Amino acid sequence: DGGITQSPKYLFRKEGQNVTLSCEQNLNHDAMYWYRQDPGQGLRLIYYSQIVNDFQKGDIAEGYSVSREKKESFPLTVTSAQKNPTAFYLCATRGNTEAFFGQGTRLTVV
Amino acid sequence: DQQVKQNSPSLSVQEGRISILNCDYTNSMFDYFLWYKKYPAEGPTFLISISSIKDKNEDGRFTVFLNKSAKHLSLHIVPSQPGDSAVYFCAASALDSWGKLQFGAGTQVVVTP
Repeated sequence: DGGITQSPKYLFRKEGQNVTLSCEQNLNHDAMYWYRQDPGQGLRLIYYSQIVNDFQKGDIAEGYSVSREKKESFPLTVTSAQKNPTAFYLCATRGNTEAFFGQGTRLTVV
Repeated sequence: DQQVKQNSPSLSVQEGRISILNCDYTNSMFDYFLWYKKYPAEGPTFLISISSIKDKNEDGRFTVFLNKSAKHLSLHIVPSQPGDSAVYFCAASALDSWGKLQFGAGTQVVVTP
């Protein structure tokens, strides 16, 4: 069935390491997004892509990178330059009206 | 600069009563508004939306009201049920940049028996 798959659900990273979060969709949507959620804050946009091989920075792109080589996939790399990487990360796609979200990945830096 | 604000971080309501969640926005270019519901450790799920050409949209127990002049919208849940206990996010976007949803900080709703 159609949906958005984020993996893994929980991820631990040592300080100074890069880590890549996976997002796969089979909804055939062109647009994909990465959001970050911190306690007491709304979802903040990190990066988005409206078409394959193209992506744009969102409001908090520093310390992150993305790629969009396939329509189905939009991986997010959290680099060592991201000062506060511990958060809940959400991937979304855009349909005709609303956005659809994956189940999220909780990243913890140890 | 937070463009979408939910000023009530939490709301407690008795089962069967009405829950009213409020949301204010500052960007006059916003013309599409959505409400999402989120359980812990899960992604948000879409509840209901409204475009700026309407002032009310209803879907079952959920009704969203939009007051463009006040830049305010609200979500009414009637009657509230225990399964409604969750965090509710208000989101807004301009139709020409549509997927760039701006989210509020969320309101935690607790429905008590």
